[in-house]
Amino acid sequence: QSVLTQPPSVSGAPGQRVTISCTGSSSDIGAGYGVHWYQHLPGTAPKLLIYGNNNRPSGVPDRFSGSKSGTSASLAITGLQAEDEADYYCQSYGSLSAYVFGTGTKVTVL
Amino acid sequence: EMQLVESGGGLLQPGRSLRLSCAASGFSFHDFAMHWVRQAPGKGLEWVSGISWDSGITSYADSVKGRFTISRDNAKNSLYLQMNSLRLEDTALYFCAKRDGGSGRYMDVWGKGTTVTVSS
Repeated sequence: QSVLTQPPSVSGAPGQRVTISCTGSSSDIGAGYGVHWYQHLPGTAPKLLIYGNNNRPSGVPDRFSGSKSGTSASLAITGLQAEDEADYYCQSYGSLSAYVFGTGTKVTVL
Repeated sequence: EMQLVESGGGLLQPGRSLRLSCAASGFSFHDFAMHWVRQAPGKGLEWVSGISWDSGITSYADSVKGRFTISRDNAKNSLYLQMNSLRLEDTALYFCAKRDGGSGRYMDVWGKGTTVTVSS
């Protein structure tokens, strides 16, 4: 199965805006399947952050937003906070009936 | 509160078998598809397997197809992963995850995972 491509790391100062890209193909994101984002702190359960490209579950701050275009998607974090330091993964669905995850991005708050 | 708790991980040699369990609580387990996702040391998340609410449909990643079997017992609110012919590359933290209730194909509740180490 394929893997979605993310930058290994991004960083920003508190209060800044950072974005994480997620690049797929015509077999997954480009096929019209939704893109979802998870936040993961080591030792804890991954947390759903964004579903269906740009929807936030209850309790997720509106500092987090998602978008999708063509075969790619992005997660934006505005007003970066120390508690946002974590690993972030995108996820979609492939035409071979398989779930695909991104390679993961570590966000560092400077 | 919706909760998933994995168990059954351990240290074992290549070629051996292991069965993971996931206990669900706080939601109607029988209404939702479920998944196993793993994370190898220093690596990202990898989808392993999924099962429909009624066990009628199962799917597997190519990396485990033919070796792993996913199952569930709705009466016991439990999900399982039978892992046979284990390989060194199966070493990972294994998460149980609940699928969304619609057509979104995402995972909205996760457990904290159970560790499987395959080593000679």
